[in-house]
Amino acid sequence: ILNVEQSPQSLHVQEGDSTNFTCSFPSSNFYALHWYRWETAKSPEALFVMTLNGDEKKKGRISATLNTKEGYSYLYIKGSQPEDSATYLCASPYSGAGSYQLTFGKGTKLSVIP
Amino acid sequence: GAGVSQSPSNKVTEKGKDVELRCDPISGHTALYWYRQRLGQGLEFLIYFQGNSAPDKSGLPSDRFSAERTGESVSTLTIQRTQQEDSAVYLCASSTGTGRYEKLFFGSGTQLSVL
Repeated sequence: ILNVEQSPQSLHVQEGDSTNFTCSFPSSNFYALHWYRWETAKSPEALFVMTLNGDEKKKGRISATLNTKEGYSYLYIKGSQPEDSATYLCASPYSGAGSYQLTFGKGTKLSVIP
Repeated sequence: GAGVSQSPSNKVTEKGKDVELRCDPISGHTALYWYRQRLGQGLEFLIYFQGNSAPDKSGLPSDRFSAERTGESVSTLTIQRTQQEDSAVYLCASSTGTGRYEKLFFGSGTQLSVL
């Protein structure tokens, strides 16, 4: 099982502000890095699956970067909106019993204030 | 199409009672996972199914926990003699494969409260 860390634990931003948070993971035996968004009372939803060092993915106002050599990924939200309020989870796979299980961080809870 | 469905959405039980949680994955998804999140903790892997087999049960916290899957579809997670530390959100997820790059599709979870 891997040690996946996320910071900050929680974040409050004003509507329209841009923000970012961090996911740290072991750089050895790296396979992939997943980002999920979990809104209250809803299901966690996959945002990105990233594999290559230097990779950058974008979905609307949300983007993510990946540094596999130093073991971190940043998630950026440009011009935060109230509907971006959610817990953002990152996860990295480890090998177990013939498949790959995701180890999740504890998440960053984002609150966007209108 | 329909997503991953879990029932019940909320369950309150007394310590020592048995509970059964149900998951209906996306049709055609061969891999099924159970996770849980206790208060202040990250998502914790419990068990994974490939078809109806469970090659990885390493996350089940004790022998009070068991799970089965039938017809390569519905799965049930059973907790016997519930304890207060079992209180958590139990999430089910499914995917098309079991590789490193397969994104998971989650249900909305069962909030279990053990009094």
